[in-house]
Amino acid sequence: EVQVLESGGGLVQPGGSLRLSCAASGFTFSRYAMSWVRQAPGKGLEWVSAISSGGSTSYADSVKGRFTISRDNSKNTLNLQMNSLRVEDTAVYYCAKSSSSEPQSPFDYWGQGTLVTVSS
Amino acid sequence: SYVLTQPPSVSVAPGKTARITCGGNNIGSKSVHWYQQKPGQAPVVVIYYDSDRPSGIPERFSGSNSGNTATLTISRVEAGDEADYYCQVWDSSSDHWVFGGGTKLTVL
Repeated sequence: EVQVLESGGGLVQPGGSLRLSCAASGFTFSRYAMSWVRQAPGKGLEWVSAISSGGSTSYADSVKGRFTISRDNSKNTLNLQMNSLRVEDTAVYYCAKSSSSEPQSPFDYWGQGTLVTVSS
Repeated sequence: SYVLTQPPSVSVAPGKTARITCGGNNIGSKSVHWYQQKPGQAPVVVIYYDSDRPSGIPERFSGSNSGNTATLTISRVEAGDEADYYCQVWDSSSDHWVFGGGTKLTVL
């Protein structure tokens, strides 16, 4: 059974940092692109970042230069390093598996999300 | 940047057909994916590549895409279909995913 499980969310002050992780199981992690998608309270879905199976990355303009996506295929783990956090980064962050090695393939599995709250 | 426009809400009576639109400039040239999100849950893909249905998704869900509008159609709507629905495309000019603003489907 395919599973992706996020962790690392919490409360952080503006300007602070946080590192999210996503543990994957039930599929050959190294063969698939992965993404992070966030959802602010009461709002819609916003794509944050993607990484291909080969390690190529892309970022939403709203987080470029502040967030870094990475993957550790030996540990079946996806990471999101978030620096210079802003109040507007407050959201549930979802880890999503793409249906192929390329990031432009649709998401066939999502985690249950981890809440990040940026507040003083 | 590429923009997808969805109606904020659609209401339909049980047993009737719901149509949720997703507008974008020449969206017919892109592949559109649709996600269903129920309260407190993660999204689930219900249609991918315009009209393909993942295993486990009822045949009542269908999709089409042409010109400047993609449409998710839900036939014989049931109370359990009440959810938020999001369209999604890959913008190859920026290598970004784009989501529509979402449509809340209410079953009367």
